[in-house]
Amino acid sequence: DAGVIQSPRHEVTEMGQEVTLRCKPISGHNSLFWYRQTMMRGLELLIYFNNNVPIDDSGMPEDRFSAKMPNASFSTLKIQPSEPRDSAVYFCASSQRTTIYFGEGSWLTVV
Amino acid sequence: EDQVTQSPEALRLQEGESSSLNCSYTVSGLRGLFWYRQDPGKGPEFLFTLYSAGEEKEKERLKATLTKKESFLHITAPKPEDSATYLCAVQASGNQFYFGTGTSLTVIP
Repeated sequence: DAGVIQSPRHEVTEMGQEVTLRCKPISGHNSLFWYRQTMMRGLELLIYFNNNVPIDDSGMPEDRFSAKMPNASFSTLKIQPSEPRDSAVYFCASSQRTTIYFGEGSWLTVV
Repeated sequence: EDQVTQSPEALRLQEGESSSLNCSYTVSGLRGLFWYRQDPGKGPEFLFTLYSAGEEKEKERLKATLTKKESFLHITAPKPEDSATYLCAVQASGNQFYFGTGTSLTVIP
């Protein structure tokens, strides 16, 4: 199995630009998670989907963040407009029942 | 309030010096406790799942144990390649996952 696939791996963008992060979960997994990791706050859950439906988006910092899961094999996390404080590693993860498997992350730098 | 606390924040060991990492948790209805290893620049890599008090799991030099309030990750005779950040997470009855902030382990040759 290829595991959770994320793109891009690295993104440097200017403040105010739109950023779109992409994720392909492990085939057959019915839950998908977006996490953000920083040195200060560790891993924070932004949103999670079950069977393509958003279940908990209470971790989404503000309206600048949005996430979609149009089908079982694809999800996006969009930040518009981006700000320097959004700089972090964004992880996508998926699970079938309990264990969560993570992708390699998207390293975002907003300058 | 559901939460996970890991200690110590950082640990330096000599190669071959065994030790333990701690994960304390308070959660409503534990569905599972998970240990992950994270190398710099990588995503967390799944190590173990524990479901009930008294359960133990082993993998090479690592052994995870679980009680009703905490889990330990025992590292026996560590090697430099065991250096990483070790993350603990719990899954609550409502399917929420809570992660600790991790223990950064450095094993010195």
